[in-house]
Amino acid sequence: AQTVTQSQPEMSVQEAETVTLSCTYDTSENNYYLFWYKQPPSRQMILVIRQEAYKQQNATENRFSVNFQKAAKSFSLKISDSQLGDTAMYFCAFMKPLTSGGATNKLIFGTGTLLAVQP
Amino acid sequence: ETGVTQSPTHLIKTRGQQVTLRCSSQSGHNTVSWYQQALGQGPQFIFQYYREEENGRGNFPPRFSGLQFPNYSSELNVNALELDDSALYLCASSPRPAGGAQWKTQYFGPGTRLLVL
Repeated sequence: AQTVTQSQPEMSVQEAETVTLSCTYDTSENNYYLFWYKQPPSRQMILVIRQEAYKQQNATENRFSVNFQKAAKSFSLKISDSQLGDTAMYFCAFMKPLTSGGATNKLIFGTGTLLAVQP
Repeated sequence: ETGVTQSPTHLIKTRGQQVTLRCSSQSGHNTVSWYQQALGQGPQFIFQYYREEENGRGNFPPRFSGLQFPNYSSELNVNALELDDSALYLCASSPRPAGGAQWKTQYFGPGTRLLVL
């Protein structure tokens, strides 16, 4: 069974600074997909960034980038130029390919990291 | 384009009662997944519906059941409510992967907060 671990329950960063959130996962699959979702206090889960395991290049979306280390099963999120609106709970999530048994694209989430951006 | 919507936003029930939560998927999305998020935890997969049939289930008892309708909207039903069912229930919709694709991004609704007393 796959598991996702986020070892930092809470983090704090000053506005305009850079912060890195950690995520490790465990799987025997060779191909899979990894995601970072953001859940602000308003509750709506928003996709931040995604990475396909077969791609060696780290994904980047504006101020958000990942450091994907497949051998180490590590998938960290870097937020550059932090903004007050980045304050939220961040979840790392894992998904198996559709044909990898079960035929279900279910997401397996970590326990989350609460990020507070300080003015 | 309308996003994923859920109703109601909040609900209070007592132990032993039954509850129905509703989800309207994003336009063009034919797959709906339901997740339970207990306070301070990450979401846990309940089940997924595709073409009006259950298409995968997590580790939840049979008193958690669902439906999907021809317009792809969905319901989550929970019978014999227990105190531990208190949680945020999230619905996510996605298109079905096609043409050899192996996944599609899931888009979440705002959730329904259920409190069981």
